[in-house]
Amino acid sequence: DAGVTQSPTHLIKTRGQQVTLRCSPKSGHDTVSWYQQALGQGPQFIFQYYEEEERQRGNFPDRFSGHQFPNYSSELNVNALLLGDSALYLCASSLGGRFEKLFFGSGTQLSVL
Amino acid sequence: GESVGLHLPTLSVQEGDNSIINCAYSNSASDYFIWYKQESGKGPQFIIDIRSNMDKRQGQRVTVLLNKTVKHLSLQIAATQPGDSAVYFCAENTGTASKLTFGTGTRLQVTL
Repeated sequence: DAGVTQSPTHLIKTRGQQVTLRCSPKSGHDTVSWYQQALGQGPQFIFQYYEEEERQRGNFPDRFSGHQFPNYSSELNVNALLLGDSALYLCASSLGGRFEKLFFGSGTQLSVL
Repeated sequence: GESVGLHLPTLSVQEGDNSIINCAYSNSASDYFIWYKQESGKGPQFIIDIRSNMDKRQGQRVTVLLNKTVKHLSLQIAATQPGDSAVYFCAENTGTASKLTFGTGTRLQVTL
């Protein structure tokens, strides 16, 4: 049973470009959350998708958007990339309940030059 | 969010000793807390959780203690092993499913 899978593992972009990151949740999970982890810091919540809708959003600008597909997989899109967007982007999946455990993927390392 | 730049607090322990990692959380409304372990190149891995109606919970070789009065959380690892070397994060949940606020990580180094 595969866990949470993310692609690509590494990505290099230049300022102003757009990027799409992908996530497949753990089998049986219907909720996907995205986190940004800057070097040396803890992950920060970007948003969460459930039933193909954004259910909750953290303190991130509208340049960050997402999507969830009927098979529960998800994409994170970032427009007009800034140098400060360089980070590890983590996808976590879970069942939708309040106390359900989050299972994290290994992340996509994004470098913006 | 919290930031300690590139220099995480580090705890060095000898193999076989017990480790205690501490965490101060910020929101008195938080009622669910989780400890995660993150190894280099990997995503955070769930270790143990505790709800605010408890003050102690034990797992395999790990114990989490919660002191709501001073908003403090600790993770105790018994008989620390080299495989325990990683960065450890506490996280709090204030009421919305899966929206976690992560604390400052602590790097655990296990020496032989």
